[in-house]
Amino acid sequence: EPEVTQTPSHQVTQMGQEVILRCVPISNHLYFYWYRQILGQKVEFLVSFYNNEISEKSEIFDDQFSVERPDGSNFTLKIRSTKLEDSAMYFCASSERGGATDTQYFGPGTRLTVL
Amino acid sequence: EDQVTQSPEALRLQEGESSSLNCSYTVSGLRGLFWYRQDPGKGPEFLFTLYSAGEEKEKERLKATLTKKESFLHITAPKPEDSATYLCAVHSNSGYALNFGKGTSLLVTP
Repeated sequence: EPEVTQTPSHQVTQMGQEVILRCVPISNHLYFYWYRQILGQKVEFLVSFYNNEISEKSEIFDDQFSVERPDGSNFTLKIRSTKLEDSAMYFCASSERGGATDTQYFGPGTRLTVL
Repeated sequence: EDQVTQSPEALRLQEGESSSLNCSYTVSGLRGLFWYRQDPGKGPEFLFTLYSAGEEKEKERLKATLTKKESFLHITAPKPEDSATYLCAVHSNSGYALNFGKGTSLLVTP
C-alpha cells in the first residue's frame, strides 16, 4: 500500500541552525501538507502546497519557514534559524485532490530536537 | 474560530469492555470530519471520514457516527491492540487545513 515517507526520523540541531526535513508524498497525490505536534499537544497545521505554490498557511508558518518541491518526488520543509520552541514532531501529509472532503494521509514524522 | 474538543482525555478499558469516545465541534460549515489513530511516536493513521449528520462508518471493532454538533467513535469488545490515541479532525469551509482535537488516549488491558 502506498505511503508517505519522511527523513530523517530524528534530527538534533543547535539553536540558530538551519534544518531541512524531507518527505516523499504518495506518488499520485497532488496536494502536500506539513503539520507539527509539540509534545503533549495537538497536531497543528503549518502549510499546504499545490502546483508549486503555497495554497494556505497558518500563523505558525512565519518567515523562518519555507517549503519546496525540488523534484518530482520530494517535498521539503526548511526552518532557517531554529529556536528552542521549534522542537516538535513534524508530519508531512498528502492528498489526492485537496478538496475539503479529501483524505490526508500522514507520514511517520520527523522528531526535531533543538538544543 | 473552529473548535474541536475530544473527551475523555484518557480512557482505560478492560478487554471486551465496549465504550465510546466523543468529539464535539464548532466550525463554520463542516465539509468533513475525520478520525485518525495515532500510536506513540508515529504519524496519524486514517480511520474514517464522515460528511453529513446521520452518517455512520464501520471498520472491525470501530464505528463512527456523526450529528450536527458531535461525532462518536464506538469501540466494541476492544482488544489490547486497540490501545492508541484517537484523534478527531475537521475540515471546514475555511480552507485546506485539518483542525485537530487533542485526542483521547485509550488503554485496553487484558
